[in-house]
Amino acid sequence: SAVISQKPSRDICQRGTSLTIQCQVDSQVTMMFWYRQQPGQSLTLIATANQGSEATYESGFVIDKFPISRPNLTFSTLTVSNMSPEDSSIYLCSVDLGQIYGYTFGSGTRLTVV
Amino acid sequence: AQSVAQPEDQVNVAEGNPLTVKCTYSVSGNPYLFWYVQYPNRGLQFLLKYITGDNLVKGSYGFEAEFNKSQTSFHLKKPSALVSDSALYFCAVRDKKNFNKFYFGSGTKLNVKP
Repeated sequence: SAVISQKPSRDICQRGTSLTIQCQVDSQVTMMFWYRQQPGQSLTLIATANQGSEATYESGFVIDKFPISRPNLTFSTLTVSNMSPEDSSIYLCSVDLGQIYGYTFGSGTRLTVV
Repeated sequence: AQSVAQPEDQVNVAEGNPLTVKCTYSVSGNPYLFWYVQYPNRGLQFLLKYITGDNLVKGSYGFEAEFNKSQTSFHLKKPSALVSDSALYFCAVRDKKNFNKFYFGSGTKLNVKP
């Protein structure tokens, strides 16, 4: 199965600033996914990132707030823009290992906005 | 719509006793069901899955889950709990029309006491 490295593991940011989270996979994957886990809640899919095309966003998430890059088959970034305290969450990237194995997740980025 | 429900926010069990973490699903047709575990400050780790075949699925760390179609359940079980099993457990179902999407339950916090 793939190994996913996610950076930073945590950060404390000032409101109004932006943070870019990186996700590196040790094998080539077609799709990468970004999830948000708000405090005490379950995971919510933010967007799906395909290499060579624009990301597909789920309802309630927009590109201006969460721009995503996918420059190659092993790497993706998620930017949380113009942050507010409501953006304080764990952000996780994930790759699809197919029908049998499902998703593999990175260790997450714990973001606190003050 | 497809969904999973985890009716218990928290489960407490003594070390050495059997544990059960409940999950029910609502899916049209045959479901693709998964269990994930999240340790503190970590990403989600895959535990086990049900796609087809035997209703009793064995996974990592001694966990198993029983698929029950008549009760639309997929409860996670372990015969003898360890303190190290204390974590947050998520049940998930994969969208059969959009394999890119998982629906996660709200999570159940398992506390295993010595």
